[in-house]
Amino acid sequence: EVQLVESGGGLVQPGRSLTLTCKASGFTFGDYTMNWVRQAPGKGLEWVGFIRSQAYGGTTEFAASVEGRFSISRDDSDNIAYLHMNSLKREDTAVYHCASFTMIVGVFDYWGQGTPVTVSS
Amino acid sequence: AIQLTQSPSPLSASVGDRVTITCRASQDISSSLAWYQVKPGKAPKLLIYDASSLQTGVPSRFSGSGFGTDFTLTITSLQPEDFATYYCQEFNNYPPFTFGPGTKVDVK
Repeated sequence: EVQLVESGGGLVQPGRSLTLTCKASGFTFGDYTMNWVRQAPGKGLEWVGFIRSQAYGGTTEFAASVEGRFSISRDDSDNIAYLHMNSLKREDTAVYHCASFTMIVGVFDYWGQGTPVTVSS
Repeated sequence: AIQLTQSPSPLSASVGDRVTITCRASQDISSSLAWYQVKPGKAPKLLIYDASSLQTGVPSRFSGSGFGTDFTLTITSLQPEDFATYYCQEFNNYPPFTFGPGTKVDVK
């Protein structure tokens, strides 16, 4: 059974940093692109960014709203993807989900329940 | 970037109703569209991909159709567990990936 479990969320002050973790199981993690998608309170889903598999260079792409502030890394030996968030803003407050492309690139077929991040002073 | 609009929102319905949600893209995205079900506190769930392909394990009362710019998600007989918010998402030309604004299906 595929499982994605996020952790690391919490309350953080504006301008500070936070790292989220996505622990995967039930599939060959290293073969697939891993994404982060967020949902702000009362809002819809917003794609944040992804990291490709090492077979495709392990490169990353980001939404314009987080470009230059967020980064993503992965540890294929431990089946973990990380979202490193810097210079956090109040508008980054959201539940952050990790999601995988295991079937078709571009289709989020497995998701975690998410971890909440609140940016507030 | 491609823009997606959804209608109606919200949508009030009763158990047993046939429900149809529409998603419109700002440009031709072929069949590169997926539908997701989102419930509070739960992991979002993929329902439909490639506009009309049913994800494994999803009940057959869910179906998708469309091509180009106009798409629909249909639930033939709404069940109590189907009250949720539904999002369309395009994957024709990425990044970025775009989601629609969502359609909340609530109790009439």
